[in-house]
Parts: sequence; C-alpha cells; structure tokens
Amino acid sequence: QVQLQESGPGLVKPSQTLSLTCTVSGGSISSGSYYWSWIRQPAGKGLEWIGRIYTSGSTNYNPSLKSRVTISVDTSKNQFSLKLSSVTAADTAVYYCARVADDYGDYYFDYWGQGTLVTVSS
Amino acid sequence: SSELTQDPAVSVALGQTVRITCQGDSLRSYYASWYQQKPGQAPVLVIYGKNNRPSGIPDRFSGSSSGNTASLTITGAQAEDEADYYCNSRDSSGNLWVFGGGTKLTVL
Repeated sequence: QVQLQESGPGLVKPSQTLSLTCTVSGGSISSGSYYWSWIRQPAGKGLEWIGRIYTSGSTNYNPSLKSRVTISVDTSKNQFSLKLSSVTAADTAVYYCARVADDYGDYYFDYWGQGTLVTVSS
Repeated sequence: SSELTQDPAVSVALGQTVRITCQGDSLRSYYASWYQQKPGQAPVLVIYGKNNRPSGIPDRFSGSSSGNTASLTITGAQAEDEADYYCNSRDSSGNLWVFGGGTKLTVL
C-alpha cells in the first residue's frame, strides 16, 4: 500500500520561499509510469492543482503559479519536493501531495497525503 | 474561474439517487475523475476513467459522460455520502490538469 506524507514548515513569512517535501513509502517513486503531483486548498475553498513531475524528472506547472513554482524529485530518498517563491497570504492553504496514475490517457490521483497546513504570515 | 464547472451545492433525500455534474470543453475528449472530500480529510478517489471504481468504493457510485458533461451518480445515497465532490480532468490545452470548483452534497 503506497503512502505519502508531506513535511515542512507550517509558517512562512511573506516574500519568502515555501518548501515542502513528500515522502513516499510502500513503493519506489521511480518504478512504474506515474506522475507525482502537488495540490493545494485554501480554507473553505476548492482544490487547486499546482504541478507535477514524472519519474523521468520532467515537470509541468499550473500557468497561474508557473513563475514561482519548482517541483523536483530525489529518487535516492523516495521523495519529491515543492518550492513556491515570493509567497503572500494568498498562498496560505493545506498542501497535498499525490500520486497520479494513467488509464489510457485519462489521469487520476489515486493516493494522497494527509495534507499539511502552511500559513503565510509575518 | 475553473475550466471545469460544477454546481456549488446539491441535496438528496436519504436513499434516493443524485447526479453531480461537471462541465468543460476538455470533457469532450477526456474522462473526468471524481474525488470525495469530507471535512478535515484528504480527498479520496471514487471514480476514474470511463466508469471505474477503486477497491473499497461502494458500487452505488458510478460515472458517465456525454458531450462536454461528466456525471457522478450516487444510487441510493447514504448519510455517509455527505461530502464535497470534485471532478478533475485536463485543461483546455489538453496538456495540464484542472479541478472543478466542487459540489457540496447534502443528504437530507
């Protein structure tokens, strides 16, 4: 059973960089044809897809966040990470990591982390 | 605004059938996946592909698609089905992903 766990600071100051790590257990991050993705959810609002990384290391980002986002993978640690720069209060949200599988070209998020709340405040 | 549009709220009487819809141009070419989210919990996949349920998801959940609309149907809604439901599929470019705005389901 694959499990994902987010970790990182729960409080980030405005203009600084938010950094989170997702640790994958129960399977190798580099095996199989999966994407690994980040999603966020401000309090009381809907889900927002942030971006994804493939096992090869190729990345794609939400255009609304692209200029500030970097997703990377460390296969030796079975982890992938999120960096979001120049944060503001609008970036305060619960951040989830997830595994994304493929069903003949239709993708779905089959395993999720429990989520971690990141607050942007001075 | 999202490229996938959902009704903000839907209600259903206990034991009745409810359909939750998701509209978007990309749905003419790709299937949606559906997620159930209860307060304070991470989303859970309930439907993917043409109409596939992950292990452990009751068979009262089903999916369908027609034109630019994907639907999640709950046949015989139970009290525990009360939750927020989100659809996900590709964006209008076909290369990236997007979530619908979510539908809050109330079971009366």
